[in-house]
Amino acid sequence: GENVEQHPSTLSVQEGDSAVIKCTYSDSASNYFPWYKQELGKRPQLIIDIRSNVGEKKDQRIAVTLNKTAKHFSLHITETQPEDSAVYFCAARNQAGTALIFGKGTTLSVSS
Amino acid sequence: GAGVSQSPSNKVTEKGKDVELRCDPISGHTALYWYRQSLGQGLEFLIYFQGNSAPDKSGLPSDRFSAERTGGSVSTLTIQRTQQEDSAVYLCASSLMGSFSGNTIYFGEGSWLTVV
Repeated sequence: GENVEQHPSTLSVQEGDSAVIKCTYSDSASNYFPWYKQELGKRPQLIIDIRSNVGEKKDQRIAVTLNKTAKHFSLHITETQPEDSAVYFCAARNQAGTALIFGKGTTLSVSS
Repeated sequence: GAGVSQSPSNKVTEKGKDVELRCDPISGHTALYWYRQSLGQGLEFLIYFQGNSAPDKSGLPSDRFSAERTGGSVSTLTIQRTQQEDSAVYLCASSLMGSFSGNTIYFGEGSWLTVV
């Protein structure tokens, strides 16, 4: 089945720096790649997503890039702020085309 | 409702007992998902319902786990003969249609299960 690998597992940056989280997937038929943010004790919430017909998407300080040939996609956060501290999950559609398969998450810590 | 609603929010049960967790999806959403999140871990897919289609049960970890969805709306996840390793947060989610169409999946707050 689909397998999603996410790196790094933890990431610490200074406020104002950029943060990059990378994911790889195994199913070449996957065509939808969302990113979720989960704050401590809260539910995961969608922050940005990308479909396979585009290579990059931006929304203010966050952007996602997709390389279908290499089967990897990345989340970029610029000008990080303490409130960006959370666990971030990438995901890709499973082979059955039903549910999303998530990476194991990246704990981002932004220190001021 | 305004969002995905789950109950109970917290459940402590004794090893060997059965538990039921309930999920009420966003009104009008045809797709419903159950995920499990162990402490400090990722989101593990359990089961998926889409309309009247047969559910995708490929993620259920053992035959002690089962789920049903009645009337295309409310879903119940049942864990029989609970074990300590079942302790986790069980997250329900829903989307307007199946994930194949790229519809956003919205999560509930989760049911925190502790097996003692």
